[in-house]
Amino acid sequence: DVKVTQSSRYLVKRTGEKVFLECVQDMDHENMFWYRQDPGLGLRLIYFSYDVKMKEKGDIPEGYSVSREKKERFSLILESASTNQTSMYLCASSTGTGAYEQYFGPGTRLTVT
Amino acid sequence: DQQVKQNSPSLSVQEGRISILNCDYTNSMFDYFLWYKKYPAEGPTFLISISSIKDKNEDGRFTVFLNKSAKHLSLHIVPSQPGDSAVYFCAADNAGNNRKLIWGLGTSLAVNP
Repeated sequence: DVKVTQSSRYLVKRTGEKVFLECVQDMDHENMFWYRQDPGLGLRLIYFSYDVKMKEKGDIPEGYSVSREKKERFSLILESASTNQTSMYLCASSTGTGAYEQYFGPGTRLTVT
Repeated sequence: DQQVKQNSPSLSVQEGRISILNCDYTNSMFDYFLWYKKYPAEGPTFLISISSIKDKNEDGRFTVFLNKSAKHLSLHIVPSQPGDSAVYFCAADNAGNNRKLIWGLGTSLAVNP
């Protein structure tokens, strides 16, 4: 079974803090994704990576950056957290060939106060 | 501009009856569609998929139907169970572009005992 883990289930940070969210997958997947989910807005793609050190902006990259130094690990960085970044953050991974299915981690509920 | 639309934000059905969740898309180049299920405070889990070369795919209580001419797909759950109560997301492949998926906004299904 594919396992995607995220560093925290719940996180509370203050406005202006730098926040790191980490994601690790154990299936040697090429692709990794960061989404945020907000009520009524579905899943919105922040960034994705299709290889080590390779990244592409998603639909809402402003205020975020990412890092992928190793194939199994994909980090999302909030350079200066703001209250409008309070959300559920979801990491996913998928293989680079064949099936399209993405496998998700349990999510991190981030609250910025 | 939503390329994948789930026009019903919510649906309520009685236990034992059929649940039908609908999804419309605009891009005729999409060739693979997926349904995900999401419980609160958890990541989405893959449910069932269908290739555009098929018009039906079945897995236990879950069946997905694809009508390419109408650019419409539906997920049928028979019989519905209270444990099926969740948000269901429809997604389509982004025409092979690095395996990004295009997501609908979701339909919240409530199955009443």
